[in-house]
Amino acid sequence: GAVVSQHPSWVICKSGTSVKIECRSLDFQATTMFWYRQFPKQSLMLMATSNEGSKATYEQGVEKDKFLINHASLTLSTLTVTSAHPEDSSFYICSATGHDYEQYFGPGTRLTVT
Amino acid sequence: EDQVTQSPEALRLQEGESSSLNCSYTVSGLRGLFWYRQDPGKGPEFLFTLYSAGEEKEKERLKATLTKKESFLHITAPKPEDSATYLCAVQYTGGTSYGKLTFGQGTILTVHP
Repeated sequence: GAVVSQHPSWVICKSGTSVKIECRSLDFQATTMFWYRQFPKQSLMLMATSNEGSKATYEQGVEKDKFLINHASLTLSTLTVTSAHPEDSSFYICSATGHDYEQYFGPGTRLTVT
Repeated sequence: EDQVTQSPEALRLQEGESSSLNCSYTVSGLRGLFWYRQDPGKGPEFLFTLYSAGEEKEKERLKATLTKKESFLHITAPKPEDSATYLCAVQYTGGTSYGKLTFGQGTILTVHP
């Protein structure tokens, strides 16, 4: 149990375009979902926290207009990187937590902006 | 300021050579401490959650322990397939983000055959 999926697993886009990444909890209802980014050889950096039906809470320094988060249901959250630039290239990982507070991670999405 | 520090940054072991990874934290109001394993290009894989000092959990060759200031991940007789980055994360009761995890920088473990 406690499986989280992400789609796509990798994506290449051109500078200036937008990219949407989906995060789904497959076998449990996620009260809260989190979005992280990870640069090579670095640890995970939390970008934002989202609760179903509420606006996301962004960490300091994360542009909310650039990284749009929607948490439409208890099993789906999406991250849209708007007007992507090469510096947005990174590994984006989502996680989901249910009522047991334990956090389960998706497999990640590799974004490359050319 | 809440901090999570892992040591060493990298650890190279021979197969069968037992060792420990350390995670120290300065978090007030600890709710739980988490250990994850991360393979290159993949998301973190959940290993353990520890909630109170004195608690221990085991899974195969791994054993996690918790004190009031730090946690240890003991690896007994490691195998090459145990090679990965091990991440420690702390969840605290305060703050505005429910369930938020603060991660350490990780320990890169390499086990040579």
